[in-house]
Amino acid sequence: NAGVTQTPKFRVLKTGQSMTLLCAQDMNHEYMYWYRQDPGMGLRLIHYSVGEGTTAKGEVPDGYNVSRLKKQNFLLGLESAAPSQTSVYFCASSYTTIQLDPLGQYFGPGTRLTVT
Amino acid sequence: AQKVTQAQTEISVVEKEDVTLDCVYETRDTTYYLFWYKQPPSGELVFLIRRNSFDEQNEISGRYSWNFQKSTSSFNFTITASQVVDSAVYFCALSEVDYGGSQGNLIFGKGTKLSVKP
Repeated sequence: NAGVTQTPKFRVLKTGQSMTLLCAQDMNHEYMYWYRQDPGMGLRLIHYSVGEGTTAKGEVPDGYNVSRLKKQNFLLGLESAAPSQTSVYFCASSYTTIQLDPLGQYFGPGTRLTVT
Repeated sequence: AQKVTQAQTEISVVEKEDVTLDCVYETRDTTYYLFWYKQPPSGELVFLIRRNSFDEQNEISGRYSWNFQKSTSSFNFTITASQVVDSAVYFCALSEVDYGGSQGNLIFGKGTKLSVKP
C-alpha cells in the first residue's frame, strides 16, 4: 500500500498561473481532505469530500477549486495563483467512521508551493 | 465553536530534561477525538496518539505520556528524558463525531516548536 501520495512534491508558479495538485489514496477511503500549512499556523482545511462526486468548503476555500471524480483521487486546483497561496499543502484521507481506524486521518507527504 | 489552543509557540530544553506541551480545546460536543501529531524538520506529519472523549485514562508509550482532563479541557503531552531527535513541531488536533459515527474535520492548534539541545 502506498497510502496517500501527492503530486508534485514541489512547484514554483508565477502570479496568475494555474495548476492542479493531485492526491491519490489506495485505502478505499470515502473521505478526503485538502489542508494548507503556513508558518506559525496549524493546518487549515481548504476543501473536503465525503465521497466520490461530492465536495464541500472548509475554513479557507477562496481561490481554490476541487474535484473528486474518482474515489481514489482528490484534485486541488488554483485557477490564478497569488503569492498568498504560497504554502505547504497536505492531503489526507479517512474512513467515514472514526472507530474503524484509530489513526483517524492519513496524511500525504505534502506539496511545497511557492508563488512569485 | 471548535478551537484548539497551544499557548506555547516555542520551547527549548536541554537533552534529558522532561518537557510538557500544553493543549486546550473547546467543543460543544460530548463525543470527540483528540490527536497529537509530530512534524519533524523533514516536513511529514507523524501520528502519535488518538484519544476519545470517553476515555480519560492517561497513556504512556515509552518516553511519551499524555494527560487528558475533561474538567479542564486539556490534553497535555509530556516527553520524559528528551532527546535531540524529539526536536520537531508538535500539533494537537480535535475531531468531532456525528451521531452516525462519522468523523468530522480535524481542527489543529498552531503547534509548538520543540528544540532539544545536546
